[in-house]
Amino acid sequence: QKEVEQDPGPLSVPEGAIVSLNCTYSNSAFQYFMWYRQYSRKGPELLMYTYSSGNKEDGRFTAQVDKSSKYISLFIRDSQPSDSATYLCAMREGAQKLVFGQGTRLTINP
Amino acid sequence: GAVVSQHPSWVICKSGTSVKIECRSLDFQATTMFWYRQFPKQSLMLMATSNEGSKATYEQGVEKDKFLINHASLTLSTLTVTSAHPEDSSFYICSATTTGVDYGYTFGSGTRLTVV
Repeated sequence: QKEVEQDPGPLSVPEGAIVSLNCTYSNSAFQYFMWYRQYSRKGPELLMYTYSSGNKEDGRFTAQVDKSSKYISLFIRDSQPSDSATYLCAMREGAQKLVFGQGTRLTINP
Repeated sequence: GAVVSQHPSWVICKSGTSVKIECRSLDFQATTMFWYRQFPKQSLMLMATSNEGSKATYEQGVEKDKFLINHASLTLSTLTVTSAHPEDSSFYICSATTTGVDYGYTFGSGTRLTVV
């Protein structure tokens, strides 16, 4: 079993839809949780960074962490075609290396 | 915010030659840098972790003598692919972090290496 599981998709939704991306993990020692967006042939861009259970909102993006269930989510409201990318969840224990999910390929259709 | 600059963005080299990729932290001191490799439609694979002034720690299965990592300063790390072969063609990405302020690990824009 992988430490971090993420549905690779692909996921295709119409413009304006609410998108829900999810990851589960098995290591209860993970303390920090991140969501990255990666466009084709580019490096990952940090979208959200949380370290406690609960919700964190930034514009159209909401990150949710449930440590008791070992489950994290990223919600995108009012999705735009420019949101089409691969979304990677990542987490780490303390100052350790990041552990990534497989990435979900998302397409927003105009 | 934290910015990491990676160069070149793409490079083509002949088989048997060496290629150097640079990763610079522009507005913070990168005490730790990570080097990743990414194949098409796959997630990032960590190759090595380097702390400034120390030897890099390589992940299992990564050839130390082939992928030379230098982190001689707090703002610069380099990855040299030595005696490159076509199977080394890939997308290489660096990431940096610092002690104290936690930026959540910032990534460079990546380097696409093609060995012909």
